[in-house]
Amino acid sequence: EAQVTQNPRYLITVTGKKLTVTCSQNMNHEYMSWYRQDPGLGLRQIYYSMNVEVTDKGDVPEGYKVSRKEKRNFPLILESPSPNQTSLYFCASSLYRRTEKLFFGSGTQLSVL
Amino acid sequence: GDSVTQMEGPVTLSEEAFLTINCTYTATGYPSLFWYVQYPGEGLQLLLKATKADDKGSNKGFEATYRKETTSFHLEKGSVQVSDSAVYFCALSDLGSGGSNYKLTFGKGTLLTVNP
Repeated sequence: EAQVTQNPRYLITVTGKKLTVTCSQNMNHEYMSWYRQDPGLGLRQIYYSMNVEVTDKGDVPEGYKVSRKEKRNFPLILESPSPNQTSLYFCASSLYRRTEKLFFGSGTQLSVL
Repeated sequence: GDSVTQMEGPVTLSEEAFLTINCTYTATGYPSLFWYVQYPGEGLQLLLKATKADDKGSNKGFEATYRKETTSFHLEKGSVQVSDSAVYFCALSDLGSGGSNYKLTFGKGTLLTVNP
C-alpha cells in the first residue's frame, strides 16, 4: 500500500531535549516536505527536499533541521525544542511536478513543556 | 509571493444543503489548484484538482472550476452529508521564487460541520 509513515504519533517532551520525528515513504517520490499545522494559521511549510541531498527552507524553518540521505526518508530534527514548537506536524511526499498531489502522513502531535 | 485566501469558518449546514467554500489565489506563474480534505484525526488527502484555466475538478460530488479571470477556485457540492464534516483546504502549486522549484501554498482551512 502506498503510504507516508510518520513516527511517533504523539510526543510530549521538555524544553531543550533534542528529538527526531521520522518520515518514510514507499512510493519512490522525489519530493518530500514537512508542514506544521496550527489553529488559525493553517499549514505552513517548514522544509522541503527535491531529491536526495537536496533540501531547502520553507516558510518557517527556524528551530528545525532536516536531512535527506536516502530517497525514502526525511526526518525532522528539533535540536532544542521550545514551547512555541508545540504543534501538529505533517510529512508529505509527491512526484516532483507541480501538477501532482501530495500524499500526507497521519501527523505527529508534539507538545513541548 | 503566492497566497491562498479561503472563507473563514466554521460553516455549519444541515444534511442535503448546498455547499460553497470560496477560495481565491494570488500567484506569479500558472499554478495548479487543489482542494484537500482533512477528516478528524487524519492527515490531508486530495479531494480534487485542476491544472489549467477553465478545468473543472470533481470527486465524491464535489466540484471546483479554475477561473483565471477571477483567480478563484470555489468548492461546491449540491447536497452535503454528515460524512462530509471535515476541514477543507484550498491550495496552489507554482514555481518558487527561484523559478526552478515548485512550492505548494495552502489556505488556512475551513471547518465544515454537517448536522443530520
